[in-house]
Amino acid sequence: QQQVKQSPQSLIVQKGGISIINCAYENTAFDYFPWYQQFPGKGPALLIAIRPDVSEKKEGRFTISFNKSAKQFSLHIMDSQPGDSATYFCAASNPPGNQFYFGTGTSLTVIP
Amino acid sequence: EPEVTQTPSHQVTQMGQEVILRCVPISNHLYFYWYRQILGQKVEFLVSFYNNEISEKSEIFDDQFSVERPDGSNFTLKIRSTKLEDSAMYFCASSWGTSGYEQYFGPGTRLTVT
Repeated sequence: QQQVKQSPQSLIVQKGGISIINCAYENTAFDYFPWYQQFPGKGPALLIAIRPDVSEKKEGRFTISFNKSAKQFSLHIMDSQPGDSATYFCAASNPPGNQFYFGTGTSLTVIP
Repeated sequence: EPEVTQTPSHQVTQMGQEVILRCVPISNHLYFYWYRQILGQKVEFLVSFYNNEISEKSEIFDDQFSVERPDGSNFTLKIRSTKLEDSAMYFCASSWGTSGYEQYFGPGTRLTVT
């Protein structure tokens, strides 16, 4: 069973545009939703995370929108830059442990 | 900034051989994890470790796998008899707490089983 579904698989955006990546989950016990950024040959690095008691969180150019009733959350990258070109993974975890269930990843390419 | 380190960066082994992947988590973290990522696929949870014992494990983490914290700094993943399908990138991660605490990932060890 795929706990977290992510789309699109790949995304090409012009420099300065908005990149949007979507995730959906099934388990209503999930209580922590991080987004990780991964560059080739590197480990995933936390970009931004949200808890289900808020509907939106913004950090710089990165925003998470969270819809608890629809069990969906999305990452918006404003003013996308070529340096943002990477693979993005959404994830979810639930108590009491902290196992992360990752989405399948989105390969983002920002064209100069 | 503290970081998780992993050695080796790349390990090539023959099918049936034992391998040990090593990790040094961030020093004040209490929870330790292993994940794997088969090329081009998503990151998959293997095991979590706290207070010198396994707290959670996935169905991937069968009897061929074991973890250990042999001293105060290292955290190891052992695969007793490697199979071709064990070829993947293995990531170690650590966190200060559970349920909402960021997991910091290491750079990974690429394991190639021939």
